[in-house]
Formats: sequence, C-alpha cells, structure tokens
Amino acid sequence: QKEVEQDPGPLSVPEGAIVSLNCTYSNSAFQYFMWYRQYSRKGPELLMYTYSSGNKEDGRFTAQVDKSSKYISLFIRDSQPSDSATYLCAMTYSGNTPLVFGKGTRLSVIA
Amino acid sequence: EPEVTQTPSHQVTQMGQEVILRCVPISNHLYFYWYRQILGQKVEFLVSFYNNEISEKSEIFDDQFSVERPDGSNFTLKIRSTKLEDSAMYFCASTSQGASGEKLFFGSGTQLSVL
Repeated sequence: QKEVEQDPGPLSVPEGAIVSLNCTYSNSAFQYFMWYRQYSRKGPELLMYTYSSGNKEDGRFTAQVDKSSKYISLFIRDSQPSDSATYLCAMTYSGNTPLVFGKGTRLSVIA
Repeated sequence: EPEVTQTPSHQVTQMGQEVILRCVPISNHLYFYWYRQILGQKVEFLVSFYNNEISEKSEIFDDQFSVERPDGSNFTLKIRSTKLEDSAMYFCASTSQGASGEKLFFGSGTQLSVL
C-alpha cells in the first residue's frame, strides 16, 4: 500500500463550483498535513497547513483532516479559472522530517 | 515577496556528464532542501541541509549526488555522472523554521534532461 494516495484526475468543473480534493494515507504517524498548488512548470506553492484533526479555513479554501480515517480533504468554494492547477497533498511526521507528497490532482475550472 | 531562485531553468546534458544545479534560498532561511519530480510522478525528497551539513537524505541521494553551500547565499546540487533516469524537475526549497513543511518555499525548478 502506498503511503499517500491521491486521485490524479483530471478533474474538470464549471466556474463557481465547489471542488473537493482528497488524499488518503496509510501511516498513522503523520502529524502535519499540507496542500500545495502547482502551476505548470512552477514549484509547489503552499496553500494550507494543518496539524490537528478538524477544519481550517482560509478564504475560499477549507482544509479538513480526519486522522481516525487517515483522510484529508481540500475544498475550494466559488472556483475560478485561475484555480486551474495541480493540487498536491503532502504530509510529514514531526520536526524536520521530509514531506511525503501525493501524486497530485489536476484541476481545470472552465469559464 | 522573497522567493527561492533556481538556475538554470532548463539543463540538457549527456549521460555521464556532471551537472550542478544552483539555488539561492530566501536570505534569512536556515534549512534547505532538494526535491525532484519525474514527469508524471510524485514530488520526492532528496536531501535536507542545515548548519552546513546534511540533515537527512533519501535512498535516491546516492554517492553520485552531493550538496554544498559554497557561500552565504548559494545552495547547489551536484550530480557527478548523470544517468537517463536522473531526468526530472529538481526543486530547491527553504524555510526559516525547519518545521514540518510549515512556511516551506519552493523555487520554480530546474528541468534536467539527460540524453
């Protein structure tokens, strides 16, 4: 079983839709969870960072962590064409340990 | 806004040649990383660097790889004898906090093509 699983998509939605992106993981030792956005030929850009189970909101973005189910989600409200990118989940254990990434979900928001 | 700068953006090399990928981390950052992404694959950790030494390295980071911080601003990744399978996008990242991904800034990457 892979450590972090993420449906690669592609996912295509109309402008204004609510987008739900998800990752599952196998290692219960993961404690920190992140969502990155990656535009074509660019580096990952941190969107959301969470530690505990529950929800964290930042503007149109909501990150959700369910440690009991080993499941994390990113919701995008009122999606815009500029949200079209690949979204990567990432997680790590603690301290300075390296990030473990999902494969990324490619999202297209159609105007 | 400060950013991590990587050069070159593209590098083409012949198999067996040495390449040096360069990075200028954000100026007050103390922890530095190299990750790579093979086309269509996950972003993978290579190495972390703190206080002028390697903190951690992955299985990918074998004897063909080395990192260096030759001065106060640059951070380099050297591949001594490139292989076809080294073709990937290489990302440099840095953070001031060394915490688990928090405030980790990535550069735009160097696309390495080994022919």
